[in-house]
Amino acid sequence: QKEVEQNSGPLSVPEGAIASLNCTYSDRVSQSFFWYRQYSGKSPELIMSIYSNGDKEDGRFTAQLNKASQYVSLLIRDSQPSDSATYLCAATGGGNKLTFGTGTQLKVEL
Amino acid sequence: KAGVTQTPRYLIKTRGQQVTLSCSPISGHRSVSWYQQTPGQGLQFLFEYFSETQRNKGNFPGRFSGRQFSNSRSEMNVSTLELGDSALYLCASAQWAAASYNEQFFGPGTRLTVL
Repeated sequence: QKEVEQNSGPLSVPEGAIASLNCTYSDRVSQSFFWYRQYSGKSPELIMSIYSNGDKEDGRFTAQLNKASQYVSLLIRDSQPSDSATYLCAATGGGNKLTFGTGTQLKVEL
Repeated sequence: KAGVTQTPRYLIKTRGQQVTLSCSPISGHRSVSWYQQTPGQGLQFLFEYFSETQRNKGNFPGRFSGRQFSNSRSEMNVSTLELGDSALYLCASAQWAAASYNEQFFGPGTRLTVL
């Protein structure tokens, strides 16, 4: 069983809609969670970090964490074609060893 | 601030050779981690260095090694290259090592092709 799991997609949403990306983790020691965006042929770019239960908002992005359910999500409001990318969920139990999911491919359609 | 830099960006090697990749972290960052990304295995942690000491190591064979210099720059070395070592090698920079609330920022990566 993978430690961090994501649906590989593709997840297709129309332009302007809300995209919802989900991630579950199995290691209860995990404390910090991150969402990275990766465009094809590029390196991952950090877009959100979350450490406490609840919601964290930054512009069009909202990260949600539920440690009891071992669940992390990323909402992208007003999705744009430029949001089309692979979104990677990562977790760490402390320190800098990140465990990544396999990523969810998001396609925002005109 | 300048971001994480990695050199070279592309490398082509043959089986059995060795390769050295370099990473310069964001100014002021003292932690450097290395990851391997392949289509089959995704992003996997190789090792982390902080203050010239390896703090953490992933599940890779001893052919993969690294080091960090006093200016926080890091190198990783892969000896006796195998076809399966073809991958995107990513370096990530962070300010601290032990803190949980510690964001990592990736460099552009080195694309290694082993023929």
